[in-house]
Amino acid sequence: DIQMTQSPSTLAASVGDRVSITCRASQSIGTWLAWYQQKPGKAPKLLMYKASTLGSGVPSRFSGSGSGTEFTLTISSLQPDDFATYYCQQFNSYSRYGFGQGTKLEI
Amino acid sequence: QVVESGGGLVQTGGSLRLSCAASGFSVSSFEMNWLRQAPGKGLEWVSHISYSGRAIYYASSVKGRFLISKDNAENAVHLLIDSLRAEDTAIYYCARELHNAFDVWGQGTMVTVGS
Repeated sequence: DIQMTQSPSTLAASVGDRVSITCRASQSIGTWLAWYQQKPGKAPKLLMYKASTLGSGVPSRFSGSGSGTEFTLTISSLQPDDFATYYCQQFNSYSRYGFGQGTKLEI
Repeated sequence: QVVESGGGLVQTGGSLRLSCAASGFSVSSFEMNWLRQAPGKGLEWVSHISYSGRAIYYASSVKGRFLISKDNAENAVHLLIDSLRAEDTAIYYCARELHNAFDVWGQGTMVTVGS
């Protein structure tokens, strides 16, 4: 199976900061990488798919980049609503889908 | 949107049938998936069914115990979960698939496995 490793596991930041979260795949996945935001007690929300395509209704302060084995989610200017846990997710035709362990973004 | 139902408390070794009712789109036109999240843990993909229902996949942790199906007349997807173990305790989410990502999620249904 392809392993997904997110870093950092926890990130402390302030409103207005620019932050980045990295996701590394154990094998190349092309650009089959998605990012989700999850708040406590809620279902995940799709932020980005195909590594850099913004999900429907997602603010433009979110951006994604990368291909192959290394990917980055960047939030250009943190807003209070952005404090949550973020997950990356890969797709491959063998084991199908897998998630990173999550990054908790806190104040 | 999608709305899950059917969760509950079940004994080890028991079974449950989870349902996912879709509205605003037709499940016959989309790939659909079940995912789960154990309490305080991360996300785990469980099963996939293609738009036609002909291609079905399972995570290795549930293969042989879970069965996904689709009912186009009901516009719903079901997950029969059998031989339940403590480690199957989780919130089970139904999600629509878009470009190999999950773009529409339900609120989830809780499955608790206990003796």
